[in-house]
Parts: sequence; structure tokens; C-alpha cells
Amino acid sequence: EAQVTQNPRYLITVTGKKLTVTCSQNMNHEYMSWYRQDPGLGLRQIYYSMNVEVTDKGDVPEGYKVSRKEKRNFPLILESPSPNQTSLYFCASNPTGNRPYEQYFGPGTRLTVT
Amino acid sequence: AQSVAQPEDQVNVAEGNPLTVKCTYSVSGNPYLFWYVQYPNRGLQFLLKYITGDNLVKGSYGFEAEFNKSQTSFHLKKPSALVSDSALYFCAVSPSFRQAGTALIFGKGTTLSVSS
Repeated sequence: EAQVTQNPRYLITVTGKKLTVTCSQNMNHEYMSWYRQDPGLGLRQIYYSMNVEVTDKGDVPEGYKVSRKEKRNFPLILESPSPNQTSLYFCASNPTGNRPYEQYFGPGTRLTVT
Repeated sequence: AQSVAQPEDQVNVAEGNPLTVKCTYSVSGNPYLFWYVQYPNRGLQFLLKYITGDNLVKGSYGFEAEFNKSQTSFHLKKPSALVSDSALYFCAVSPSFRQAGTALIFGKGTTLSVSS
């Protein structure tokens, strides 16, 4: 089954404790992206990757890091989480960032930082 | 600034009645427009998109949307609502497919509630 998976689905952590949210897709997509969803704000892009070893900032990159060492994986790293990073996070992929394909979304990771 | 507006936070309709979820956009160039649906505790699911061609686009689950360039709108419609259509709906726009890494710009979402 073609899908985007994320782990963990739920995470409660404390301020300053480094964490990684994994994202993996099995569709051989070139383009992957991370969004955060906050009430009343819709989804906002954090980082994206056009292909392996190619990453760039989205609209709200502060406090986040990413890497793209393999085509299928695109982990989101919070080196020192803060309460304002409490949010619902979605990973997404599509075949390429150069065409208006629809994006495939993972199930989401709900992060709470206390 | 490029943006997407969904003017209604919530739309309430009775089962069997037609529904409309509104979306307007402001982007430069030719827009590529999308509708996504989010069910509780689930990721976003693609419903339909407009790239070019016929202004009336048909998508999943009986939904359709009409692209109106003069009104810069892309309203989502369904002739007969189902209780199972109750969900959060997002309109999104891709400003230009030629811009590498172009993110989807999302509206804030509209909660659709269909009563039986």
C-alpha cells in the first residue's frame, strides 16, 4: 500500500529535550515536506526537500532541522523543543516538487512540549 | 502576499441538502488549486485539484469544485450531503508549478457539520 508513515503518533516531552519525528514514504517520491497545523492557522510548511541531500526552509523553520540522506526518509529534528512547538505535525510527499501534483500526507504526530 | 481565504469557520447543512464550502485565493500567475479533507485523528486526504481546462472539477466522494478566475474563487460543492462528509476541509493553492519546492499555501480550514 502506498503510504506516508510517521512515528511517533503522539509525543509528550519537556522543554529542551531533543527529539526526532520520523517520516517515511514508499512511493519513490522525490519531494518531501513537513507542515505544522495549528488551530486557526491552517497548515504551514516547516522544511521541504526536493531530493536526496537537498533541503530548504519553508515558512516557519525556526527551531527545526531536517535531513534527507535517503529518498524514502525525511526526519524532523527538534534540538531544543519549546512549548510554542506544541502542535500537530504532518509529513507529506509527492512525485516531484516541479509539478503541481497533489501531496500525500502522513497520519500526523501530535507533539506536546511542557 | 499570496494567500488563501476560507471565510467560514464552520458550515452546517442537513443530510441530503447541497453543500458549499467557500474558498478564495490571491496569488500571482496561474494558480493550481486543491481541496483536502481531514477526518478526526487522520492526515489530510486529497479530494480534487484544478490545474487547467474545464472550470468544473470532479473529485472523490462525489465532491466537485468550480474554478472562477474573475472572482478568484474555488468553491467546493456537493449536491447531496452525507453525515459521513462531516470533517475539516482545507483549500490550498500552489502559486507556480515552475518554482522549485513550492509549498502548498493552505487556508485555515472549514469545519463541515452534516446533521441527520
